[in-house]
Amino acid sequence: NAGVTQTPKFQVLKTGQSMTLQCAQDMNHEYMSWYRQDPGMGLRLIHYSVGAGITDQGEVPNGYNVSRSTTEDFPLRLLSAAPSQTSVYFCASSPPGARESTEAFFGQGTRLTVV
Amino acid sequence: GNSVTQMEGPVTLSEEAFLTINCTYTATGYPSLFWYVQYPGEGLQLLLKATKADDKGSNKGFEATYRKETTSFHLEKGSVQVSDSAVYFCALLSNTNAGKSTFGDGTTLTVKP
Repeated sequence: NAGVTQTPKFQVLKTGQSMTLQCAQDMNHEYMSWYRQDPGMGLRLIHYSVGAGITDQGEVPNGYNVSRSTTEDFPLRLLSAAPSQTSVYFCASSPPGARESTEAFFGQGTRLTVV
Repeated sequence: GNSVTQMEGPVTLSEEAFLTINCTYTATGYPSLFWYVQYPGEGLQLLLKATKADDKGSNKGFEATYRKETTSFHLEKGSVQVSDSAVYFCALLSNTNAGKSTFGDGTTLTVKP
């Protein structure tokens, strides 16, 4: 029962480099999201997806791309890394629901430093 | 839009003290409310939830009651332990917002022996 798996756990990038943060879930959840966590700012939504082939922007999408080709995977791409993207990134998934909404399941996080 | 406001931290308590972390929200529709906990170096995990007004969520000695009239979901525990030291996030999930949770800024709790 892996849940939500994020790789890598730690990454250091140089300014201008690109990379992809991987996220996979094995719970057949339709909803997946990417958040960044910065000190004193809680979690801010970057991008989310309500199902394979469907993505949309969250609160802070600039500098990031996503795609959702399968239900299981939701990679986050940094196009040209900047120091302002130094943060801890969390991927989350949840099944769909209305009033009987269930919680989000989070990965362990990726700590990214851009120098 | 939706928003969650949490009591500012950090909060430092002695073991066995009473804990309250305030949380108020603004939302459209009929949101579900959650408290998540994040232990050092880990991701967030659900602590408790409530899906409708007057529901009480509880887990591991923590409780929170969904108060629609005051738009609040305050977290309480009668006697904290050192192992409760963590960051606590209040969150809402609105049924009009397609699976996007809104989080508060988090409150860091440190419990000293």
